[in-house]
Amino acid sequence: DQQVKQNSPSLSVQEGRISILNCDYTNSMFDYFLWYKKYPAEGPTFLISISSIKDKNEDGRFTVFLNKSAKHLSLHIVPSQPGDSAVYFCAAIWSGNEKLTFGTGTRLTIIP
Amino acid sequence: ETGVTQTPRHLVMGMTNKKSLKCEQHLGHNAMYWYKQSAKKPLELMFVYNFKEQTENNSVPSRFSPECPNSSHLFLHLHTLQPEDSALYLCASSQWDRGSDTQYFGPGTRLTVL
Repeated sequence: DQQVKQNSPSLSVQEGRISILNCDYTNSMFDYFLWYKKYPAEGPTFLISISSIKDKNEDGRFTVFLNKSAKHLSLHIVPSQPGDSAVYFCAAIWSGNEKLTFGTGTRLTIIP
Repeated sequence: ETGVTQTPRHLVMGMTNKKSLKCEQHLGHNAMYWYKQSAKKPLELMFVYNFKEQTENNSVPSRFSPECPNSSHLFLHLHTLQPEDSALYLCASSQWDRGSDTQYFGPGTRLTVL
């Protein structure tokens, strides 16, 4: 049973436009969500996170939105840059448990 | 060295070999993790060490044996592996404070089992 799902395995976006990556979860116990970015041959790098008490968190070009009623979160990147091309993983955790649950990832390609 | 380091970066081994993966974190964290990443599958948590004690083992086969001698070092001992164990093995660390924690990952070891 996959508790964190990223239904789009890949996404292509024109440079300068907005990239929107989506993630759905099924476990209502999750109360903290993270996005990781991964380049080939490297480990995932933490990007941005959001607590369940918020519905939005912004850091520079990256904004994460959380819709708890829909059990959905999204990562917005604007404007998209060629260096943003990578695989993006959504992850979730709940308080009192160290285990991060990851989605399968979405490969983002920024087209120059 | 900064962050989380892993050695070796690549490893090819036969099914009868014994090898070990090493992870070291330079972040002063108190929790360390082993993950397995196979193609087109979610990252799978294998082991968690919190304050040097193993707190979770996600039904990992006994051919994988973790060791955490101190809070900065983590090993994964491998023996009699199967070809389906070929994957990227990632180590991570975090400061576990009973709640939201951000895990920092090493570069991974690409393991190929022949």
